[in-house]
Amino acid sequence: KAGVTQTPRYLIKTRGQQVTLSCSPISGHRSVSWYQQTPGQGLQFLFEYFSETQRNKGNFPGRFSGRQFSNSRSEMNVSTLELGDSALYLCASSLNPGQGTNGYTFGSGTRLTVV
Amino acid sequence: AQSVTQPDIHITVSEGASLELRCNYSYGATPYLFWYVQSPGQGLQLLLKYFSGDTLVQGIKGFEAEFKRSQSSFNLRKPSVHWSDAAEYFCALYNNAGNMLTFGGGTRLMVKP
Repeated sequence: KAGVTQTPRYLIKTRGQQVTLSCSPISGHRSVSWYQQTPGQGLQFLFEYFSETQRNKGNFPGRFSGRQFSNSRSEMNVSTLELGDSALYLCASSLNPGQGTNGYTFGSGTRLTVV
Repeated sequence: AQSVTQPDIHITVSEGASLELRCNYSYGATPYLFWYVQSPGQGLQLLLKYFSGDTLVQGIKGFEAEFKRSQSSFNLRKPSVHWSDAAEYFCALYNNAGNMLTFGGGTRLMVKP
């Protein structure tokens, strides 16, 4: 059974640009969450999607957005990139919302560097 | 508000020695607690989880953790550390209302030969 797949693995962007990251959850998993990991702030929750709807969002500016498709694949987008957006972005999947009690399965992440 | 604290940022142990990584949490209800491990450049791998019941839970790779409600702690232990255990370890608390994890700051484990 394939795990959570995130693409691309590495990305370098310039300040002011926008970026789109992709996440394919484990087959059968319908809930996808995104986390940002930085040395200064650690791991922080970005948002969660289920049935193509954003259910929860963390404390991030509106430049951070996402969506989920009917096949449960999810994308997140960051517009007007800032240097502080440089981070490892992790995607996690679970069967359904509320199944987080079983523990999420994380992808390997996308390393975004903003220059 | 809920929070997770890992007091030790770095820990170095000798190979074959025992290990204990500390985790303290703050949460108003029964906690769902997890330990994850992250190798350099990789995602997070679930080591073990606690919901209720037995306060000593077993995980993968020979790890175990003990939940102590009176101390609001969920410490991770391993009797004998292997060089391959060198990684960063994260304690996490599940927020049922928000369906999200709150993570501690992590503890980086180094293993001396």
